[in-house]
Amino acid sequence: GESVGLHLPTLSVQEGDNSIINCAYSNSASDYFIWYKQESGKGPQFIIDIRSNMDKRQGQRVTVLLNKTVKHLSLQIAATQPGDSAVYFCAPRGTGGQGAQKLVFGQGTRLTINP
Amino acid sequence: NAGVTQTPKFQVLKTGQSMTLQCAQDMNHNSMYWYRQDPGMGLRLIYYSASEGTTDKGEVPNGYNVSRLNKREFSLRLESAAPSQTSVYFCASSEVLASRAFFGQGTRLTVV
Repeated sequence: GESVGLHLPTLSVQEGDNSIINCAYSNSASDYFIWYKQESGKGPQFIIDIRSNMDKRQGQRVTVLLNKTVKHLSLQIAATQPGDSAVYFCAPRGTGGQGAQKLVFGQGTRLTINP
Repeated sequence: NAGVTQTPKFQVLKTGQSMTLQCAQDMNHNSMYWYRQDPGMGLRLIYYSASEGTTDKGEVPNGYNVSRLNKREFSLRLESAAPSQTSVYFCASSEVLASRAFFGQGTRLTVV
């Protein structure tokens, strides 16, 4: 079955430092990838997305890198702030049961920003 | 613009009781989803509705039923709640299937 894994389930960084969250995926046919942020007690929030025809996309303080050769993507957060503390999920789009496309969520990485 | 609204936010059920979780979106999205999230785990898809009038099973549909009442509303029903269904339930919607999804705030359900 399809799987999504993360290299580091927890990550602690100092406020102001940059952080990198990694995500490995298994389905080479995935054509679209989303990063979500989930703060405690809230629903996941969209951060940034990238299509498979790109290898890099930048947003405000965030950059997503996609390496299709090794089926890996990363989320870089620049100049981290206390509000960046959350669980981050990558969600590749793949084919689920009955052939329908769906987003596959990994277990998430907990990012903690230390003051 | 409320986005995705779920009710209730919290619920405690006794084993065997039934209940319906409500979800409504005001973004005119075609696709809607129900996920469950257990401690330390990602989101697992229970059921989804690609468009009004259709529903399909996700990864973990057993013990649940859904109704796509209209384009705005997608409800999740537990006919006979079990302790294994203790979880946080999230409803989401997207413009089309498997595109950028917007999530509600979640329903924390405890079955005792």
